[in-house]
This record gives sequence, C-alpha cells and structure tokens, in this order.
Amino acid sequence: RKEVEQDPGPFNVPEGATVAFNCTYSNSASQSFFWYRQDCRKEPKLLMSVYSSGNEDGRFTAQLNRASQYISLLIRDSKLSDSATYLCVVNAHAGKSTFGDGTTLTVKP
Amino acid sequence: EPEVTQTPSHQVTQMGQEVILRCVPISNHLYFYWYRQILGQKVEFLVSFYNNEISEKSEIFDDQFSVERPDGSNFTLKIRSTKLEDSAMYFCASSQDGSPSYEQYFGPGTRLTVT
Repeated sequence: RKEVEQDPGPFNVPEGATVAFNCTYSNSASQSFFWYRQDCRKEPKLLMSVYSSGNEDGRFTAQLNRASQYISLLIRDSKLSDSATYLCVVNAHAGKSTFGDGTTLTVKP
Repeated sequence: EPEVTQTPSHQVTQMGQEVILRCVPISNHLYFYWYRQILGQKVEFLVSFYNNEISEKSEIFDDQFSVERPDGSNFTLKIRSTKLEDSAMYFCASSQDGSPSYEQYFGPGTRLTVT
C-alpha cells in the first residue's frame, strides 16, 4: 500500500466548476498535512496546510479526517489558472515529507 | 520574497561521472532537504540535513550520494558515479524549523540528464 494515495485523475473541468481531490495516508503517526501545487516542470509550491478543524483560503477548502486518515481539497469556481498538478504531502516526523503521486487538473474555457 | 536558488538549471553528464548540484537555501532557514522527481513520477525524499549532519535519509540515498554545507550559504548534493537511472529533476528545499508543521520551500530544481 502506498504511504500517500491520491485520486489518479486527470480531472478535466469547465471554468467555474467545483472540483474535489481526495488523499489517504497509511501512517497513523503522521503529524502534518499539506496541499502543494506543481506546474509542469516546476517546483512544488505550498497551496495550504491542512488542519483537523478544516481551513479555507479563498476558493480553496481543505479538510482532514484523522480517524479515516483522509485529506481533501475542494476548489470552487475553478479558474484557467488553477490548471496544475495537486500534490498531497504528509509529514510523519521532522525532516521528511512524503508526497502522493499527484492529481492533474485541467480547467477548460 | 526570499527564495531557494539552485544551480545549474540543467546538467548533462556521462554515466560514471561525478556531479555536484548546488543550492542556496533561504538565509534564516536551518533545515535543508534534497528531493528528486523522475520524469512523470512523484517527488521522492532523499535526505534532510541539520546542524551539519544528516537528520534522515531514504533508501534511495545510498553510498553514491553525499551532502555537504561547505560554507554558510551553499548546500550541495554530490553523486559520485552517476547511473542512467539518476536522470531526474533534483529539488532542494529548506525550512525554518525541522518540526513537521513547518513549510518547506522548494528551489526551482536542477534537471540532471545522464547519458
């Protein structure tokens, strides 16, 4: 079983759509959770941290369910500029981030 | 905004040659990392480094790899004898603290091509 597993994708949605990405992790000792965004052939960039209480940043909402070891990312009102690969990242302990395979989103006009 | 920088952006080398990839982390950061991403695959952790010592390393980081902070600013990854399968994008990252909750900031990467 993969340490971090994401929806395989790709997701192709029209502008304005709402899209949700799912991620599960296998290590119950995991402490911190993040969504990163990666554009083609570029470095990963932090989109948002994920907290147990859930958190929102504009059109983006992240949720964490520790009991189910499940993380989600919801994007509302998709923009063309949201097209990217979204990476679920889990930190079990200091010094190491474990990445999921990523889910690719293409937003079309 | 401070950023992590990496040089070169692209390195081509022949199998068996040594390569050194260079990174300048964000200046007040204390923890440094190397990751690699083979084309079309996920980002994989290689090594973390703090206080001039390796904190953690993955099974990928074998005896062919080494890291060093030769001065106050640079952080390097050396591959002693490159193999074809070392071809990948190598990302350096740094964080202010080693706690799992701290964001790691990534550099733009060095694309290594081994021929």
